[in-house]
Amino acid sequence: NAGVTQTPKFQVLKTGQSMTLQCAQDMNHEYMSWYRQDPGMGLRLIHYSVGAGITDQGEVPNGYNVSRSTTEDFPLRLLSAAPSQTSVYFCASSRTSGRTYEQYFGPGTRLTVT
Amino acid sequence: GESVGLHLPTLSVQEGDNSIINCAYSNSASDYFIWYKQESGKGPQFIIDIRSNMDKRQGQRVTVLLNKTVKHLSLQIAATQPGDSAVYFCAENRGANQAGTALIFGKGTTLSVSS
Repeated sequence: NAGVTQTPKFQVLKTGQSMTLQCAQDMNHEYMSWYRQDPGMGLRLIHYSVGAGITDQGEVPNGYNVSRSTTEDFPLRLLSAAPSQTSVYFCASSRTSGRTYEQYFGPGTRLTVT
Repeated sequence: GESVGLHLPTLSVQEGDNSIINCAYSNSASDYFIWYKQESGKGPQFIIDIRSNMDKRQGQRVTVLLNKTVKHLSLQIAATQPGDSAVYFCAENRGANQAGTALIFGKGTTLSVSS
């Protein structure tokens, strides 16, 4: 299993540009989520999904869109990039049944908006 | 504001010592908590979890304690090793329906282990 994969690893955008961060998992997990991590901070939840076709907002959803058309993929779209969105973005997945709900994290995408 | 936080941003210990990392949470309705370890340049890695119906849970060299009365969580690492050096985050479950969804993270404690 590859686990949770994210692309790209690094990205530089100009203010106003749009882009999609890709996230995929091969563990057949129902739950997927996106977090951003700013320097010296914990992870803040952007959006999450408990299954294909179902998404919900987290703590900091503004400026981001998500969709979940398949179990495997959960892309994050930046509609019009702003310098405040410079951050490291992590995607995670987990099961939603069983004793533990360990979230598996991807390696992250480091995004810089100039 | 921040609802899940850690008491100390940094903790320095000697190799072989026991480490205790603390976390306070404010949402009394949270029913599931996880500790994560994050090494530089990597995503967080699961260490141990605990449900609100438990006070203590042990893993390999790690113990998590939960005090619901004062809304406090701690991670104890026995015989700390240089490989334990990392940032440690506690996270609480805020999912309305399913444990483990919508985890809210604290800011983290940086553990430095010197040999």
